[in-house]
Amino acid sequence: NAGVTQTPKFRVLKTGQSMTLLCAQDMNHEYMYWYRQDPGMGLRLIHYSVGEGTTAKGEVPDGYNVSRLKKQNFLLGLESAAPSQTSVYFCASSLLAENQETQYFGPGTRLLVL
Amino acid sequence: AQSVTQPDIHITVSEGASLELRCNYSYGATPYLFWYVQSPGQGLQLLLKYFSGDTLVQGIKGFEAEFKRSQSSFNLRKPSVHWSDAAEYFCAVGAYNTDKLIFGTGTRLQVFP
Repeated sequence: NAGVTQTPKFRVLKTGQSMTLLCAQDMNHEYMYWYRQDPGMGLRLIHYSVGEGTTAKGEVPDGYNVSRLKKQNFLLGLESAAPSQTSVYFCASSLLAENQETQYFGPGTRLLVL
Repeated sequence: AQSVTQPDIHITVSEGASLELRCNYSYGATPYLFWYVQSPGQGLQLLLKYFSGDTLVQGIKGFEAEFKRSQSSFNLRKPSVHWSDAAEYFCAVGAYNTDKLIFGTGTRLQVFP
């Protein structure tokens, strides 16, 4: 049982390049989330999904797209990376959102956009 | 709108000393409250959570937190800090029948031997 895993762990991009971050969970959780963490700002929700085939915008969705084609995977895409997207990205999952089930976090992806 | 404030950006304590990390929230109804810990280079791990009932909540690693509705606070405490407790601590608030948590900006704890 690996929990929540993220690929890659670290990536450097040039401005304008695209990339996809992969999040996988093996806990059969319905809900999945993508956050970004920046110094002094805590975690901010980018997008989330309440189930396979569904996605919704969070607090800071601009410049990102997501897809949840399979229940266990949640992909975060950057179509044209910008330096402002330099951050640490965390994926999380939870069984349900009712009664605010615990969110389980992956180890993070550190992204540097030059 | 929900919000969470962690007034202390950085706290330094000596090993063996007691610890209290502050968290204040803003929400109209009864909130669901969480404390997460993030060790360097790691993801977040849940320490404890409060949904209802007893306002003093016990968590892992010897941590506890007390929900005080009158003060809109959910402070995290530990009677004797260990060097391994050095990490960043996040308070978060959620609400019934919503999909999202709101996180505070975090408090970085440094422990001196």
